[in-house]
Amino acid sequence: EVQLVESGGALVQPGGSLRLSCVVSGFTFRNYGMSWVRQAPGKGLERVATIKQDESEKYYLDSVKGRFTVSRENAKDSLYLQMDSLRAEDTAVYYCARVRSGAGGYDVWGQGTLVTVSS
Amino acid sequence: EIVLTQSPGTLSLSAGERATLSCRASQSVSRNSLAWYQQKRGQAPRLLIYDAFSRATGIPDRFSGSGSGTDFTLTISRLEPEDFAVYHCQQYGSAPWTFGQGTKVEVK
Repeated sequence: EVQLVESGGALVQPGGSLRLSCVVSGFTFRNYGMSWVRQAPGKGLERVATIKQDESEKYYLDSVKGRFTVSRENAKDSLYLQMDSLRAEDTAVYYCARVRSGAGGYDVWGQGTLVTVSS
Repeated sequence: EIVLTQSPGTLSLSAGERATLSCRASQSVSRNSLAWYQQKRGQAPRLLIYDAFSRATGIPDRFSGSGSGTDFTLTISRLEPEDFAVYHCQQYGSAPWTFGQGTKVEVK
């Protein structure tokens, strides 16, 4: 069974840091691009970061550039999102999602992990 | 950046009725690279349609996608009780990939 499992979400103060992890199973991780997509409470979906299979290319949402870093360890079937200088507007459920092979869109999603930035 | 506008914001229908959801792009979507997702309360999104009209694995044929260029439509031919949810469109033809704000299909 194809599965993505996120962890690391928490309550953190503004200016703080957090590292999200996503462990996958059921498919060959190194063959797929991966993204982090977030959803603020009551809002729509927003792509935060994307990383290619071999880390050769990374994409970031403008509002997180310089603060967030996406990475992966193919040997551990794991995707990460290092989040620094967190702001209240970063509060959201963060999903990891698999990029559909050879194209775009997301064909597999994790269950999400909640990040709350508040004092 | 391509802005996607979904309409209506909320669609109130009964089970058995037909649902028609619209997604309009501010610029032409390259290669009809548009997807639709279903999201139920408290759950992650699920891919329904990709490349504007191709159904994802396991998606019932009552779901269909159509359109091209800047105007796209998701049609649910006969609503089942489990279809009441929020639906999102997404374009992936041009960077940055963007989502619409969602359409909620609720029980009338």
